[in-house]
Order: sequence, then structure tokens, then C-alpha cells
Amino acid sequence: QSVLTQPPSVSGAPGQRVTISCTGSSSNIGASYDVHWYQQLPGTAPRLLIYGNSNRPSGVPDRFSGSKSGTSASLAITGLQTEDEADYYCQSYDRSLSGWVFGGGTKLTVL
Amino acid sequence: QVQLQESGPGLVKPSETLSLTCTVSGGSIRSYYWSWIRQPPGKGLEWIGYIYYSGSTNYNPSLKSRVTISVDTSKSQFSLKLSSVTAADTAVYYCARVHGGIASAGDYWGQGTLVTVSS
Repeated sequence: QSVLTQPPSVSGAPGQRVTISCTGSSSNIGASYDVHWYQQLPGTAPRLLIYGNSNRPSGVPDRFSGSKSGTSASLAITGLQTEDEADYYCQSYDRSLSGWVFGGGTKLTVL
Repeated sequence: QVQLQESGPGLVKPSETLSLTCTVSGGSIRSYYWSWIRQPPGKGLEWIGYIYYSGSTNYNPSLKSRVTISVDTSKSQFSLKLSSVTAADTAVYYCARVHGGIASAGDYWGQGTLVTVSS
């Protein structure tokens, strides 16, 4: 059972927009800690996609965007491409654990 | 470009100690937090712990009794030891640099190394 809750899977057709939610609690996201998002392609290490709720590292396309409100956050992907098929994880900091917490991951399928 | 590389045995016997090292290149190990994360086959990511370059640490409470993370700034390395391992510790182990403070993201990750616990 992950501390942060994500849907197990989402899907969309090429060119469409999808969102992935990440729900936490007053001990992590609701405590004003930032949410970060990672993309994990099959057989590879996670890659930082969004940091500080809505910031993109250099090289990440602007098709990827993040937002946060209250105890939840969302990752939006517009103009879906086949290469976006991957697992996506949200991460935050939890003050009770004094450490990182992750969502369980969401598998994105591009139909 | 910062690069991280995990190294260590890929097979560990039950009840023994898992030992991994992460070597940092292309940047300084100083002034950053460094983290270990693991991923059991087919499952999600689990934070193990982190260490500041000065040596201060914090561990996941669920693993705290078995984990030790240390740093050697002269070699640009930090290490993970996990004692009394069982099959449940079989996972891909990643090391990562923390982008800023402890609540920040992991901006650079190693490729990961699979550690199997089996006799």
C-alpha cells in the first residue's frame, strides 16, 4: 500500500490528452511539500519529468505539465505519442516518515 | 553531465548483508543529498534512505533497523548496506542525486542494479 495513491492505469489515443492523479494527505502533499513526477520506460531507470509541482527539467517536452492543489497533484500529457507509453510515478516528502514517499505508479497505454 | 553507477554483488544469500556502492562522476558529491531507492520486480518504487555529503542520514522507518548508508567524499562514492536480507529484498536498487533539499526530487539516477536474494 503506497502512501500516495495513483490510478493503476490510464490510456489514450495518439494526439489525445490524459491526466494522472496523485492523492496524498496532510502529512505530505497537504503539508505543502512539493510533488515530483517520474517517467519509467520499460527496463530503464526512472527519469525526472516534473519537479516542484510544475517545473520541467531541460529536455522534457512542454507536452508534459504538472499541477498541485490541496492534498492532490496531477500530471497532464497532451498530444499523446506512442513513445509516452511508460509507467509514471509521483513522489513527495512525508513529515511523519521524514523521507520520500512514492505513488504506486500508473501505466500509460497509448492505444 | 552527472552520472551515477551502482556496483555490487547481484546475488546475496538469505540472512547475509547486501552491499552496494554508487560512484558519482561528472560533478561534485559535495553540497548534495544522495539517495537509495529500490524496486521489486514488477512493483513500484520504495525509498530506502538518504545521506548528506557531510554524513548525516535518514532512513525509511520500515528498513531502519537493517540499513546503513555511508559516504566517502574522497572517492565520490556513497554506499548501502542492508543486513539480514530475505527474498523480499530482491529488487533493482537505484542510487540518485537529490536536486536540492531533502524534499526535492531525484534529478540524476543510476541505471540500477538487480540484487537477487537466494541460496
